[in-house]
Amino acid sequence: QQQVKQSPQSLIVQKGGISIINCAYENTAFDYFPWYQQFPGKGPALLIAIRPDVSEKKEGRFTISFNKSAKQFSLHIMDSQPGDSATYFCAAGDDYKLSFGAGTTVTVRA
Amino acid sequence: GAVVSQHPSWVICKSGTSVKIECRSLDFQATTMFWYRQFPKQSLMLMATSNEGSKATYEQGVEKDKFLINHASLTLSTLTVTSAHPEDSSFYICSAERGRETQYFGPGTRLLVL
Repeated sequence: QQQVKQSPQSLIVQKGGISIINCAYENTAFDYFPWYQQFPGKGPALLIAIRPDVSEKKEGRFTISFNKSAKQFSLHIMDSQPGDSATYFCAAGDDYKLSFGAGTTVTVRA
Repeated sequence: GAVVSQHPSWVICKSGTSVKIECRSLDFQATTMFWYRQFPKQSLMLMATSNEGSKATYEQGVEKDKFLINHASLTLSTLTVTSAHPEDSSFYICSAERGRETQYFGPGTRLLVL
């Protein structure tokens, strides 16, 4: 049973466009929500993370929006570039371990 | 900072042999490390949580006698796949925890069992 539901499974965006990936969870014990970027054949790299005490966090072109009441959070990639083409995983942590979403493959067309 | 290495990056072995994979945190100490398995185009599946100086905690369905984990120091954890079979072929990734809940991942080890 997947504790974190991620959508869409894949998306294609034009260079300069905005990529949006959504995640939802049920377990209210989760208090840490990171996003990871993974390129083929490589390990995931921590991109950005948020805790429930804030509703938004921005780092460069990457923004997390967090809605505690709806138990949803999303990743926005602004001004998407071909180098952003990768698989993105959301996750949720509860002091013991991370539960990962299924992943979203993002393709940025030049 | 927060660099995690894995060795080897890929390994091919014969069925029935054992393979050891090392995971090291290079610039920080990690009391807790994690081992994941990832199948092509799928998410990460947690296999076990490794704590320095104590026995690993395995996820449901993971055979602890097949996947031996040793966390000998604050910078090194090892995963040994014993009596490997073709179905054990996969991408194995470790992570090290730095600070509360923040995991940094290694580059992964691709295992192919013939």
